[in-house]
Amino acid sequence: AQSVTQPDIHITVSEGASLELRCNYSYGATPYLFWYVQSPGQGLQLLLKYFSGDTLVQGIKGFEAEFKRSQSSFNLRKPSVHWSDAAEYFCAVGAKGDMRFGAGTRLTVKP
Amino acid sequence: EAGVVQSPRYKIIEKKQPVAFWCNPISGHNTLYWYRQNLGQGPELLIRYENEEAVDDSQLPKDRFSAERLKGVDSTLKIQPAELGDSAVYLCASSLPQGGAFFGQGTRLTVV
Repeated sequence: AQSVTQPDIHITVSEGASLELRCNYSYGATPYLFWYVQSPGQGLQLLLKYFSGDTLVQGIKGFEAEFKRSQSSFNLRKPSVHWSDAAEYFCAVGAKGDMRFGAGTRLTVKP
Repeated sequence: EAGVVQSPRYKIIEKKQPVAFWCNPISGHNTLYWYRQNLGQGPELLIRYENEEAVDDSQLPKDRFSAERLKGVDSTLKIQPAELGDSAVYLCASSLPQGGAFFGQGTRLTVV
């Protein structure tokens, strides 16, 4: 069965600092992987996705993620965090439309 | 292009009452999802449609929940009767094959 683990429930970073959010997955085949962001009271917005090919994928808002098959990981990164990046971030795994989400990581940005 | 539209945005009902949520997906998206999101948790899949066919409803509590997607476009999710534990945000999403899902704003249900 597929599953997603986001080990960090809450992360605090200073504005301008770099960010890495962790995601580990369990899946029987090559997965499709996604990162979503959810601001308070809003729906989920797709940041980026990985299906195949280059293991480093670029997304919107300056985010990128790297697929590492050997570590079953798909970590999200941003070189310099902005105050507006404060939100909940969800990693998801799936294929053929069967998408399952992690529990999320809440990001707080300090001024 | 319009995104996924859900209504209502908020709903407060008494327990044992029925409630229905409506979703209009992005035009041309064959796959439609209903998720439930409890506070502080990730979305949990309730049901997935490919066109008008429900292809995954294994997590749908079928004793009280029902869903339909007539003509493979709009979808309705119903709860009857609602219980206190059903309080959550109900999210609808749609996607193309091999595409990431696009989500609506959700319906926040409070059962009192």
